[in-house]
Amino acid sequence: DTGVSQDPRHKITKRGQNVTFRCDPISEHNRLYWYRQTLGQGPEFLTYFQNEAQLEKSRLLSDRFSAERPKGSFSTLEIQRTEQGDSAMYLCASSLISAGYTFGSGTRLTVV
Amino acid sequence: DQQVKQNSPSLSVQEGRISILNCDYTNSMFDYFLWYKKYPAEGPTFLISISSIKDKNEDGRFTVFLNKSAKHLSLHIVPSQPGDSAVYFCAASGEDSNYQLIWGAGTKLIIKP
Repeated sequence: DTGVSQDPRHKITKRGQNVTFRCDPISEHNRLYWYRQTLGQGPEFLTYFQNEAQLEKSRLLSDRFSAERPKGSFSTLEIQRTEQGDSAMYLCASSLISAGYTFGSGTRLTVV
Repeated sequence: DQQVKQNSPSLSVQEGRISILNCDYTNSMFDYFLWYKKYPAEGPTFLISISSIKDKNEDGRFTVFLNKSAKHLSLHIVPSQPGDSAVYFCAASGEDSNYQLIWGAGTKLIIKP
């Protein structure tokens, strides 16, 4: 296990299309987080899972965003009807409760 | 309302000199602080952390100082090397935030040869 993996690394999509990103966390980590980062800002929290339960969602996560972690392992983040404002780096991280986070390399979304 | 602030968007330092990156926070309930380093097109990488029971933690060229009364922490890199050029994020967490990280906006460090 070499860390947190995210796929794809870069996604270019037309406005209005749906996109889905995948995150594979470190296997023994029970927490999985999604963040969004735009230029000049720190990562903004979107949502997190403890095992398969989604425990918190940010107000940033509109109805067009949905995340799942069906078996407590990998997670997907789907954005429906993408808008240009959705263009950002989407970061996934995993951790053990109260321990440090390990981040993936991120998925850069460009909505044209 | 930014709970974690990095007031310097960028910092330029001569190679071999000391780099000092600063971070201020407002929530007195934060009890764990971390520094992450980020290269373009990559996710943040953990660098060093400190808990509120300590005022200093050192790891090789990296030292983090915590001043709880001033709600201020700093990261010292000495000597600075060209590979240190990156964006550095300060983050904080505590039990009242359920250990979620609250991030600063980052400081871009440029090491000049």
